[in-house]
Amino acid sequence: DIQMTQSPSSLSASVGDRVTITCRASQGISNYLAWFQQKPGKVPKVLIYAASTLQSGVPSRFNGSGSGTDFTLTISSLQPEDVATYYCQKYNSAPWTFGQGTKVEIK
Amino acid sequence: EVQLVESGGGLVQPGESLRLSCTASGFTFSSFSMTWVRQAPGKGLEWISYISPSGSPKYYADSVKGRFAISRDNAKNSLYLHMDSLRADDTAVYYCARGRPSDPWGQGTLVTVSS
Repeated sequence: DIQMTQSPSSLSASVGDRVTITCRASQGISNYLAWFQQKPGKVPKVLIYAASTLQSGVPSRFNGSGSGTDFTLTISSLQPEDVATYYCQKYNSAPWTFGQGTKVEIK
Repeated sequence: EVQLVESGGGLVQPGESLRLSCTASGFTFSSFSMTWVRQAPGKGLEWISYISPSGSPKYYADSVKGRFAISRDNAKNSLYLHMDSLRADDTAVYYCARGRPSDPWGQGTLVTVSS
């Protein structure tokens, strides 16, 4: 099975900072990669799908890029409401594995 | 409004069975694949099962293969997860989610396996 490895596992940044989270697949998955945001105590929601397509209603400060095995989620200007855990997930074929998550906090 | 509502969770003893339900509304249920995802307390997300719009094919994570069964009733706009031989490490919030990728998700139902 393809493994999904996220880094870092956690980060602390200041409001307004640019934040980058990476996700690496152990084999190529084309662009079948989604990013989810889970705020504390809340249900996960999709931010980005097809590696770079922003879900409707998601702020434009979120950006996804990559293809094949290496993917990136960037928050261009971190906001207090972005405190959450972020997960990548492959969905090209079963199993639809999630990364282990990246916890984002405000410094 | 698209809505997914899970039910059926609760406290069970190791080795027992449980069936979760997910009732969908606000969209044409029979047109979408569905998945189950779980989250153990304080842990990350774990995809556990997928079912196509027609009911076949179905896929499972290795951790539940042979013990869990996903099914759907398109006439009732409902998704199910039948769980057998439950273990302590199956304790989690279980979410149903629509489509590929999964969006939206239900609010989840808590399954606790403990003696």
